[in-house]
Amino acid sequence: GNSVTQMEGPVTLSEEAFLTINCTYTATGYPSLFWYVQYPGEGLQLLLKATKADDKGSNKGFEATYRKETTSFHLEKGSVQVSDSAVYFCALSDHDGGTSYGKLTFGQGTILTVHP
Amino acid sequence: NAGVTQTPKFRVLKTGQSMTLLCAQDMNHEYMYWYRQDPGMGLRLIHYSVGEGTTAKGEVPDGYNVSRLKKQNFLLGLESAAPSQTSVYFCASSSSPGLAVLQFFGPGTRLTVL
Repeated sequence: GNSVTQMEGPVTLSEEAFLTINCTYTATGYPSLFWYVQYPGEGLQLLLKATKADDKGSNKGFEATYRKETTSFHLEKGSVQVSDSAVYFCALSDHDGGTSYGKLTFGQGTILTVHP
Repeated sequence: NAGVTQTPKFRVLKTGQSMTLLCAQDMNHEYMYWYRQDPGMGLRLIHYSVGEGTTAKGEVPDGYNVSRLKKQNFLLGLESAAPSQTSVYFCASSSSPGLAVLQFFGPGTRLTVL
């Protein structure tokens, strides 16, 4: 079956530090990959996505590249801000033998805290 | 435009009590989903619906029932709550099941079962 594994957190950084959150996946088909962000007290919001190998998703200074050879989709940001403090979820959507209903498989989430 | 809304935001139940969580979306989406979020486990799909009048089981359906009588609403029911159902529940909707189609999430309902 499908699975997503994220690096364990929590991650604590100082403002302007470089961020990497690792994500690897296992899928039976050709998945699309997503990063969702959850700010305190809110629901999940899509941060970025990539639909095929070598695609790079980007948004708000965050980037992630779909690496099929390493089955990875690591999230990076060059300079984090206090406002980036949130929980980050890696997820995939796979084509389930023609019965696609948009099911998302999530990683366990990584808590990021950025200090001034 | 409200997007996806959930009612209530918080609830405390005693073991054995029942309740219904309401999800409403105003985007005319066909697909709706109920997830639960537990520490260290990400989100897991409970039930989903591919259109008005339809429902189907997800990964962790036991102890829950759902109904989709109107396209804009998706109800999640707990007939006899158990402490293992203490969780944060998220509803989501999407316009189609395509691989890259966005799911829009509600703000969540925090449920505690004593």
